[in-house]
Amino acid sequence: DAKTTQPPSMDCAEGRAANLPCNHSTISGNEYVYWYRQIHSQGPQYIIHGLKNNETNEMASLIITEDRKSSTLILPHATLRDTAVYYCRRGSSYGKLTFGQGTILTVHP
Amino acid sequence: DTAVSQTPKYLVTQMGNDKSIKCEQNLGHDTMYWYKQDSKKFLKIMFSYNNKELIINETVPNRFSPKSPDKAHLNLHINSLELGDSAVYFCASSPSQGAPYNSPLHFGNGTRLTVT
Repeated sequence: DAKTTQPPSMDCAEGRAANLPCNHSTISGNEYVYWYRQIHSQGPQYIIHGLKNNETNEMASLIITEDRKSSTLILPHATLRDTAVYYCRRGSSYGKLTFGQGTILTVHP
Repeated sequence: DTAVSQTPKYLVTQMGNDKSIKCEQNLGHDTMYWYKQDSKKFLKIMFSYNNKELIINETVPNRFSPKSPDKAHLNLHINSLELGDSAVYFCASSPSQGAPYNSPLHFGNGTRLTVT
């Protein structure tokens, strides 16, 4: 039980923004939200994480709602190489580090 | 300059055999993990070690025995392999673990174990 909910799949056109939602309505005050992605046959790759504020790095942006019950990962200009499974995970100390099923993002030409 | 490396990448063996998977990280991290990814793609934590000490053991059969000779290595030995052990096993590391847990995991590229 990963305690996060994501849509099983999404499509996006190449060059457009991909917005991937995650619901974590039972998140506690000190738990971070992490995003990873897994490209076929590779290990998961860390993308970004945040606690309360929105975050941006060279890979993506993370928008966290004010009540922290949900977040959205934004890939501003999706490319074909962004096709992958995207996992949203709650961080907790020495806690359950299981990942859910994630969202299969398919970027189309 | 691979950060987290696992060997072997593929492992095909018969039921009842004993096999080991090795993992090494050169990131200087304190904590290492073993995950199992099944056919439904769930990534489930199996074990975690912090500075060579076991800190997480998630209801894994005792046929699975992790060993950490030093904080850069975490090996996984599996006795009496069963068909249900077929999966991809990922090693990961992180710089620290505590409250709040804010260290991203760095994964290896996995070992695909097939038990026939």
